[in-house]
Amino acid sequence: AQTVTQSQPEMSVQEAETVTLSCTYDTSESDYYLFWYKQPPSRQMILVIRQEAYKQQNATENRFSVNFQKAAKSFSLKISDSQLGDAAMYFCAYRSASLTYNNNDMRFGAGTRLTVKP
Amino acid sequence: GAVVSQHPSRVICKSGTSVKIECRSLDFQATTMFWYRQFPKQSLMLMATSNEGSKATYEQGVEKDKFLINHASLTLSTLTVTSAHPEDSSFYICSARKSLANYGYTFGSGTRLTVV
Repeated sequence: AQTVTQSQPEMSVQEAETVTLSCTYDTSESDYYLFWYKQPPSRQMILVIRQEAYKQQNATENRFSVNFQKAAKSFSLKISDSQLGDAAMYFCAYRSASLTYNNNDMRFGAGTRLTVKP
Repeated sequence: GAVVSQHPSRVICKSGTSVKIECRSLDFQATTMFWYRQFPKQSLMLMATSNEGSKATYEQGVEKDKFLINHASLTLSTLTVTSAHPEDSSFYICSARKSLANYGYTFGSGTRLTVV
C-alpha cells in the first residue's frame, strides 16, 4: 500500500520569505500523481500544485514550486514570497495513475501546519 | 470548472438517530466519489469509494452497516451515518472524480457532524 509521510507537523515563515515543506512517499508503482493541497480554517481542500511522475520537470504555479525526486521518493513544496494568506494546513497526497477503479483514491500525509508571521 | 457541493455544512443530531450527508457534482458527471473522515488536527482518512450504480468499497475498519453510502446517479452520492454516537462526531469530506482518466479530483466543502 502506498504511504505518504510529512515529517514536519508545524512550520513557520516570515512574510515575504521562502519556506519548504517536506513530503516523502512509498510506492512500488512507476506511474502516479502527486499533489499538494491547502486546507485553510474553512476546511475547504484547495489544490495548490500537482506533479505527474512521468514528467521530469518540476511543476510550478506562480509562487509555488515542487522539488520532485522520483528515485528518492521525495516531493517537497517551496513557497516563495510567503503571504499571510498562505497560512493553512498543507497536505501532500499520492494517487495511482492506474486506470482501474481500484486503488485510485487519493492518499494523504499527516499534514504540516504553516504559520506566516507578519 | 468542476464544482462539488456538499450539504449540510454543519449538523447536530441526537445519539441513536441517523443523519444523511449529500455530495453533488454540479457541472460534471462523477463516475467515482470518495468519502473521507477528518478528526481535529489530523489528516483525511479514506472511508469508502463509491462508483455509480454499484456497491461502495469500504476501507478496512469502517463499518459498512453504520456508514451507508449510496451513489445512485452520476451527480449524487450520499453518506448516511446510522444510529449515530458521539464518537461519530467528526468532519466528513467527499471528493468526486470525473472519469478514470481524469486525475483532477474535486472536493466538497465538508460537513461537521456533532452527535450529542
